[in-house]
Amino acid sequence: EPEVTQTPSHQVTQMGQEVILRCVPISNHLYFYWYRQILGQKVEFLVSFYNNEISEKSEIFDDQFSVERPDGSNFTLKIRSTKLEDSAMYFCASSERARGGTGELFFGEGSRLTVL
Amino acid sequence: GQSLEQPSEVTAVEGAIVQINCTYQTSGFYGLSWYQQHDGGAPTFLSYNGLDGLEETGRFSSFLSRSDSYGYLLLQELQMKDSASYFCAVRSPLGGGATNKLIFGTGTLLAVQP
Repeated sequence: EPEVTQTPSHQVTQMGQEVILRCVPISNHLYFYWYRQILGQKVEFLVSFYNNEISEKSEIFDDQFSVERPDGSNFTLKIRSTKLEDSAMYFCASSERARGGTGELFFGEGSRLTVL
Repeated sequence: GQSLEQPSEVTAVEGAIVQINCTYQTSGFYGLSWYQQHDGGAPTFLSYNGLDGLEETGRFSSFLSRSDSYGYLLLQELQMKDSASYFCAVRSPLGGGATNKLIFGTGTLLAVQP
């Protein structure tokens, strides 16, 4: 069964360092998303991406964040200068379509980011 | 603002039926979804209501009332493996349809006891 894969599963970094989280969405999906979940809290929307550009972003997704689809398979989230409060689980998700159907998002297992 | 409220915890016994409620207040609404999350892992899709009424998928059912901004997830014949966090999520695409953003609720931790 196709799945969304994410790397690394866990990354520890020093405050102020740059981090790149990688995702391989399901191959025939066209819409890609990043969400984050601080431990014990709800899943929060960061950004959606379609047709090689950002479709929508939340207020969390400020200038220190960027996303890119550098080739036909990878989808990356870059955090330029990490802060302690960026420590969270980051989930990548993809969907086949935006309208119609159930709108099911397929999530990866997440990348746990720890900022020291 | 946008908010989706759920009870924080629910406890039930194996074989029982449990209902998890969700009330929402969002600026856009296209439907209500439910996701299950085990131990902080990948949220997985359970059910979706685009229209008012009840949707049934095996042991799980979900209900929506758009006029009341309310929905619930009903889990029947509870099993130990159902112990997990359950999130309601409002599907909120932009007008152009180029996103399928989900706004998640606060989550309900379900503990199933023997």
